[in-house]
Amino acid sequence: GQSLEQPSEVTAVEGAIVQINCTYQTSGFYGLSWYQQHDGGAPTFLSYNALDGLEETGRFSSFLSRSDSYGYLLLQELQMKDSASYFCASFSGNTGKLIFGQGTTLQVKP
Amino acid sequence: SQTIHQWPATLVQPVGSPLSLECTVEGTSNPNLYWYRQAAGRGLQLLFYSVGIGQISSEVPQNLSASRPQDRQFILSSKKLLLSDSGFYLCAWSGGGGGSQPQHFGDGTRLSIL
Repeated sequence: GQSLEQPSEVTAVEGAIVQINCTYQTSGFYGLSWYQQHDGGAPTFLSYNALDGLEETGRFSSFLSRSDSYGYLLLQELQMKDSASYFCASFSGNTGKLIFGQGTTLQVKP
Repeated sequence: SQTIHQWPATLVQPVGSPLSLECTVEGTSNPNLYWYRQAAGRGLQLLFYSVGIGQISSEVPQNLSASRPQDRQFILSSKKLLLSDSGFYLCAWSGGGGGSQPQHFGDGTRLSIL
């Protein structure tokens, strides 16, 4: 089976940097994805790591260490609009199916 | 560009009534299609996925069924709704075939069972 663990809540101030961690246990790993979901909205794709290392997309970066079964999402220069839930997700085999973590609620304060 | 439409946005149904939620995708061919349910404050639970017309895989035993009558149409149904069927239902698509393509979600249907 597969499971992904991430903190339930994180709080940070505007302009700061925050890291959201994700550890996973999978039987067959095809990479780690990150999604953002604002309250009441649909999840939107942020990033995907298939290989070890850091992927950077603007203010957001995502990191993967396959040997540690660990990844994180790094958000820099936090803005109020970054307040949302963030989900890590792992592909279940080579089928395109995603298994999601329970999500981390990020609250950005002024 | 590709778009995904899901309706209705909200739905209030009595226990025991039937359900039909529809999802359509535009601008792509032979997508993989998915139905998820999300309980309040929780993650997304995959209910069904489809890699082609008439091909449906169920991930969890439940009171729901899915159908894909056309390439870009995915329908979630129930004959008799239960209170436990309440939740936020999301349809998603990804590029066809296997692999690790990102999923793109519709705006969801918030279903309340009374």
